[in-house]
Amino acid sequence: AQKVTQAQTEISVVEKEDVTLDCVYETRDTTYYLFWYKQPPSGELVFLIRRNSFDEQNEISGRYSWNFQKSTSSFNFTITASQVVDSAVYFCALSDGGKLIFGQGTTLQVKP
Amino acid sequence: NAGVTQTPKFRVLKTGQSMTLLCAQDMNHEYMYWYRQDPGMGLRLIHYSVGEGTTAKGEVPDGYNVSRLKKQNFLLGLESAAPSQTSVYFCASSPGGALDYEQYFGPGTRLTVT
Repeated sequence: AQKVTQAQTEISVVEKEDVTLDCVYETRDTTYYLFWYKQPPSGELVFLIRRNSFDEQNEISGRYSWNFQKSTSSFNFTITASQVVDSAVYFCALSDGGKLIFGQGTTLQVKP
Repeated sequence: NAGVTQTPKFRVLKTGQSMTLLCAQDMNHEYMYWYRQDPGMGLRLIHYSVGEGTTAKGEVPDGYNVSRLKKQNFLLGLESAAPSQTSVYFCASSPGGALDYEQYFGPGTRLTVT
């Protein structure tokens, strides 16, 4: 069955620390996409990245980077030099045909 | 563009009452989705639609009905609300399926059933 596991329920760091959010997935599909969404305290969901199963290159966008490893079925998200504004719930998601399956989410608290 | 909007933003219902949540998108997207978010459970898909006039069940469809009479609108109905339906409901839309596109989310509706 398709499944996404975010084992870290809550993470607390001090500003400027680096932090990695883990995402492990299970899928029967050979072609699939992985996503990360951010949900700040205001509640809306913000799209961060979409990565297809054939592209295992790491991606960097400013302080954000993503490490996709098909061998371990993981798609981890690292924030470098975290800031208070990074405090949010982060969701990893997996495509399931036309739909998305979400992980349970990781709450990140960045303290000043 | 307003993107994806949801009406209402908050609602309190008594057990057994009915209500309809409205989702509207102005991006001409084909696909629309309804999710519920509960603590520790992420977002779970209730129903979705791949085009005007179509609907399909998601992971947790029981107790909900949907309609997509117009391409831009996707309605979620609760016929007889139960306390277990207390949740935050999110609507989303996308140009196509998840293999090709990301989903754009509305601001959410917080529903409390007493």
